[in-house]
Amino acid sequence: NAGVTQTPKFQVLKTGQSMTLQCAQDMNHEYMSWYRQDPGMGLRLIHYSVGAGITDQGEVPNGYNVSRSTTEDFPLRLLSAAPSQTSVYFCASSLESATYGHEQFFGPGTRLTVL
Amino acid sequence: SQQGEEDPQALSIQEGENATMNCSYKTSINNLQWYRQNSGRGLVHLILIRSNEREKHSGRLRVTLDTSKKSSSLLITASRAADTASYFCATDASLTGNQFYFGTGTSLTVIP
Repeated sequence: NAGVTQTPKFQVLKTGQSMTLQCAQDMNHEYMSWYRQDPGMGLRLIHYSVGAGITDQGEVPNGYNVSRSTTEDFPLRLLSAAPSQTSVYFCASSLESATYGHEQFFGPGTRLTVL
Repeated sequence: SQQGEEDPQALSIQEGENATMNCSYKTSINNLQWYRQNSGRGLVHLILIRSNEREKHSGRLRVTLDTSKKSSSLLITASRAADTASYFCATDASLTGNQFYFGTGTSLTVIP
């Protein structure tokens, strides 16, 4: 049982490049989410999904796309990277959405630098 | 804007002392959770308290919730150097329920 896995761990991009951050979970969780963590800002929700085929925007969705074709995978796509997207990105999953009070399991994070 | 705010931003104590950190939030909630983050790592769930509960315990952790004041506190008793980490509260918003909102965190340093 690997939990939540994220790849890559580190990435450096040039402004304007695109890339996909991968996230997978093997716990059969319905709810998955992407956060970014910036110094002094805590974690901010980018996008989330309550099940396969269903995604929605969080607090800071601009510049990011997501899809959820399977229960296990929830990739995050940066369409045209900007220096403001330099951050640490965390993927998380839980059994159900926030209302039901299930704990979230976090991946180890991806540290992204955009030059 | 973020739902939760922790206070203090940073806390430094001696090993064996108790550590208290507070979380305030803005809207009605169904539940509140506390998470811990060691440097360079993902967050780990510590404890959950539901809106109809006032206090919960788990080992050396004690969480209180005051929904009238929209605030929660996390008490770590008999702290250890290994408790050094950042601590975050996370809430849902009862009207939407699909999103977790995290606070800005309290950085705790326990000095051996």
